[in-house]
Amino acid sequence: NAGVTQTPKFQVLKTGQSMTLQCAQDMNHEYMSWYRQDPGMGLRLIHYSVGAGITDQGEVPNGYNVSRSTTEDFPLRLLSAAPSQTSVYFCASSLQGFFPDTQYFGPGTRLTVL
Amino acid sequence: GQQLNQSPQSMFIQEGEDVSMNCTSSSIFNTWLWYKQDPGEGPVLLIALYKAGELTSNGRLTAQFGITRKDSFLNISASIPSDVGIYFCAGQLPSGGSNYKLTFGKGTLLTVNP
Repeated sequence: NAGVTQTPKFQVLKTGQSMTLQCAQDMNHEYMSWYRQDPGMGLRLIHYSVGAGITDQGEVPNGYNVSRSTTEDFPLRLLSAAPSQTSVYFCASSLQGFFPDTQYFGPGTRLTVL
Repeated sequence: GQQLNQSPQSMFIQEGEDVSMNCTSSSIFNTWLWYKQDPGEGPVLLIALYKAGELTSNGRLTAQFGITRKDSFLNISASIPSDVGIYFCAGQLPSGGSNYKLTFGKGTLLTVNP
């Protein structure tokens, strides 16, 4: 049981490039989400999904796309990277997305956009 | 968006000392959570609070959900070196939608000198 895994761990992009951050969980969790963490800031919700085929926007969705074709995977796509997207990205999952479920976080992807 | 004011921003203490940190908001929250983040890792849930006035302990950690529902505190007793990390509060607003649309504080960086 690997929990929540994220790849890559580190990534450097040039402005305008696109890429996909991968997130997978093996706990059969319905709810998955993406956050970004900037220096001196708390986590901010980008997108979330309550199950396969269902996604919705969080607090800061602009510049990011998501899809949820399987229960296990929830990739985050940067369509045209900008320096403002330099951040640490965390994927998280929970059983159903309702309390008292515990939300488990992945180890993060550190992204730098030049 | 909603703001959680978390204080202090950082703390430097000696091993064995007690620690207290808190979060306040101008808005009412339904749920308060406290997370710890180790360097290079994702946040891990420490304590969840679901009712106003609730006082909950987890080992040396104690947290309370304020009576006004606008604040919460976390206490760590007899600190040890492995308590080092960033502590985040997070709250869930009483609005519709996914219960995991959390608002995070900016974090308290704790350093413990052995």
